[in-house]
Amino acid sequence: ETVMTQSPATLSVSPGERATLSCRASQSVSSNLAWYQQKPGQAPRLLIYGASTRATGISARFSGSGSGTEFTLTISSLQSEDFAVYYCQQYNNWPPWTFGQGTKVEIK
Amino acid sequence: QVQLAESGGGVVQPGRSLRLSCAASGFTFSNYVMQWVRQAPGKGLEWVAVISYDGSNPYYADSVKGRFTISRDNSKNTLYLQMNRLRAEDTAVYYCVNVVPGTAVFDYWGQGTLVTVSS
Repeated sequence: ETVMTQSPATLSVSPGERATLSCRASQSVSSNLAWYQQKPGQAPRLLIYGASTRATGISARFSGSGSGTEFTLTISSLQSEDFAVYYCQQYNNWPPWTFGQGTKVEIK
Repeated sequence: QVQLAESGGGVVQPGRSLRLSCAASGFTFSNYVMQWVRQAPGKGLEWVAVISYDGSNPYYADSVKGRFTISRDNSKNTLYLQMNRLRAEDTAVYYCVNVVPGTAVFDYWGQGTLVTVSS
């Protein structure tokens, strides 16, 4: 099973600043890495797939990078609606599909 | 637009059974691989099960293998999860998810249904 590890667990950022979230895989997942956003009481929403491709309707504030075992999600100029929990997920070595434990982006 | 509506959750005693349903609309259901993912209260996301377009080749997480069964009825555009021998650790919100065709990417998620296993 491919273990996904996200860091940090919590990120405190001021509105308008940049947020950088990290995700590491225990073995290579190539570029088969997705990022999801989840707000309280809501279902997750697909943000990024293929490590760097934005899903339909996702703001250009969100960008993804990386391949193999190291990945980054960057949110430029954080808006109020961006404060949420973000999960990475690998879909290269399945089953099982595995998620990171999440990074909570909170208002500083 | 794509809609996935889960139902069937509730409070159930340990060892009992429950069947979840997910009604799909807004896309050609029979063309999509479908998944169940769960989230325990205050916890992260855990993949549960997957089923292919025609109902063949189901796969399960080790935590539910032998107890849960995923199935689908393409004539009714509905996905199911039969959960037997429920345990307290199965308590979670259960989401149905469709998969981007030709990939293994989880695309649209339903709003989820809460299953609470408690005596």
